[in-house]
Amino acid sequence: AQSVTQPDIHITVSEGASLELRCNYSYGATPYLFWYVQSPGQGLQLLLKYFSGDTLVQGIKGFEAEFKRSQSSFNLRKPSVHWSDAAEYFCAGRSGGYNKLIFGAGTRLAVHP
Amino acid sequence: DAMVIQNPRYQVTQFGKPVTLSCSQTLNHNVMYWYQQKSSQAPKLLFHYYDKDFNNEADTPDNFQSRRPNTSFCFLDIRSPGLGDAAMYLCATRDGSSTDTQYFGPGTRLTVL
Repeated sequence: AQSVTQPDIHITVSEGASLELRCNYSYGATPYLFWYVQSPGQGLQLLLKYFSGDTLVQGIKGFEAEFKRSQSSFNLRKPSVHWSDAAEYFCAGRSGGYNKLIFGAGTRLAVHP
Repeated sequence: DAMVIQNPRYQVTQFGKPVTLSCSQTLNHNVMYWYQQKSSQAPKLLFHYYDKDFNNEADTPDNFQSRRPNTSFCFLDIRSPGLGDAAMYLCATRDGSSTDTQYFGPGTRLTVL
């Protein structure tokens, strides 16, 4: 079955430090993968997506993600975290002909000043 | 400027009292989705519309219904809310002809007393 796994439930980093959030997928074919961010009490905002082509994908707010087929991973990175990046981050994969999204459990990011 | 609008943002209802949540969009997208997100969990798809075609997820309780009177609006009806239905309800839209990206509204947080 198709699935998306985010191994880290909580991550805390210091402001200005680099960040990597892990995402692993289980799909038979080339997956369509997404990273969304959710601030408390808000909806989901798309950070970036990967469908095909260049495996390093640039997104909004200075985020990037790298698709690694050999590792079944799509990790999200940011070189320098800002306090406003504190939020919940969801990795998701597309499933089915109607683009159903399968979400990982989410990673809650806290940023220390 | 808002593209996917959900009303109300916060809804309180009593156990067993029917409630309707609203979603509207200015994107003219033909696909609309309803997700349920319980506290500290990932969003879970309840159902979606492709144009007027309604598609229910297999594990969506019968207590949940939906209506889509036109392209712009979609409603989620909970016929007899239970305490376990307290959650954030997220609406999303997609242009089914050209993109795999879903655009989310800010959500409605439902409290059941």
